[in-house]
Amino acid sequence: KAGVTQTPRYLIKTRGQQVTLSCSPISGHRSVSWYQQTPGQGLQFLFEYFSETQRNKGNFPGRFSGRQFSNSRSEMNVSTLELGDSALYLCASSLSGGALETQYFGPGTRLLVL
Amino acid sequence: AQSVTQLGSHVSVSEGALVLLRCNYSSSVPPYLFWYVQYPNQGLQLLLKYTSAATLVKGINGFEAEFKKSETSFHLTKPSAHMSDAAEYFCAVTPSGSNYKLTFGKGTLLTVNP
Repeated sequence: KAGVTQTPRYLIKTRGQQVTLSCSPISGHRSVSWYQQTPGQGLQFLFEYFSETQRNKGNFPGRFSGRQFSNSRSEMNVSTLELGDSALYLCASSLSGGALETQYFGPGTRLLVL
Repeated sequence: AQSVTQLGSHVSVSEGALVLLRCNYSSSVPPYLFWYVQYPNQGLQLLLKYTSAATLVKGINGFEAEFKKSETSFHLTKPSAHMSDAAEYFCAVTPSGSNYKLTFGKGTLLTVNP
């Protein structure tokens, strides 16, 4: 069974630009969560989608948004990039997002904002 | 609000020595607790999880953790370290009975010396 895939793996952008990251969950998984990982703040929850609906949201500004498609694939968008958005963005999938379920993480997309 | 504190951002052990990584949680009710491992340039992999079924939890790669409610702790141990255990380890918490939203500790980097 293929794991969680994220594209692209690496990305370089400049301040003010926008970026879209993609996540394909494990087949059959309907819950997709996104996390931002930085050396200073560690791993922080961005949002979670289930059946094309955002169910949970972390404490990030509105510049961070996402969506989920009918095939459970998810995209994350960051508009008006700032230097502080440089991070590793991880997505994770699980069957339905229940607390007892295991989340499976992708390898991440490393974003560098110049 | 829940939180986890990992004591020691960096732990160094010799090959064959005991590994002990500390995690304390803060929650008004017993949560679900997890340990994840992250190897360089990879996503997170679940080592083990506590979901109130048993206080001593065995995970992959010879790791185990014990939930101690009186100490609000969930320390990770392995009797004998191997060079391949060198990685960053994250303790995480999610509220029991709720949808998935992991809150991570800052991580502990484990170095294994030959």
